[in-house]
Amino acid sequence: NAGVMQNPRHLVRRRGQEARLRCSPMKGHSHVYWYRQLPEEGLKFMVYLQKENIIDESGMPKERFSAEFPKEGPSILRIQQVVRGDSAAYFCASSTRPGTGDSPLHFGNGTRLTVT
Amino acid sequence: AQTVTQSQPEMSVQEAETVTLSCTYDTSESNYYLFWYKQPPSRQMILVIRQEAYKQQNATENRFSVNFQKAAKSFSLKISDSQLGDTAMYFCAYAYYNNNDMRFGAGTRLTVKP
Repeated sequence: NAGVMQNPRHLVRRRGQEARLRCSPMKGHSHVYWYRQLPEEGLKFMVYLQKENIIDESGMPKERFSAEFPKEGPSILRIQQVVRGDSAAYFCASSTRPGTGDSPLHFGNGTRLTVT
Repeated sequence: AQTVTQSQPEMSVQEAETVTLSCTYDTSESNYYLFWYKQPPSRQMILVIRQEAYKQQNATENRFSVNFQKAAKSFSLKISDSQLGDTAMYFCAYAYYNNNDMRFGAGTRLTVKP
């Protein structure tokens, strides 16, 4: 009964490189959310996806960030040309139904991205 | 816009004692959900307790209980018989019924002392 799996756990990138963060939701969950946590802050919503569709990307920066959740395989959060300000912990969560209210989110352990 | 405020950045408690963490929120909605999540040093986000706004009865989960005051928009977490394993960051969160965007407070760092 695996939970939400994120990898890598730690990722170090130099400025200008690309970062790819992976998330496999819990079995039976088809709704995936990405959140970002800056040091000493709470989580901030980035994007909500269902299989092959981006439903809500209102929290995503307009440039350099993209997300996908293909029919097969994990969800990917991609950050192009990383900058130091992208250093944060990125969490993935999944749920069985849309709407976070009555379908609580199950979180992964996060990926800590460090940009040097 | 919905906002969640946790006014206590850090708290400490002696093992076996009781501690209460505060949370207030702002919303114009009447039907919503409130949560407390625990984040230990392992960084995993663990759901501690959940409250549905239309239920007047306060939620309880073993040693964890909440004091939900809807009119005051207050949602505090009480931890009874504190254990060393309760040491963690605690985040209060709000979710509207049909919203994809769960809002988190800035967190309270709780330390349980032996």
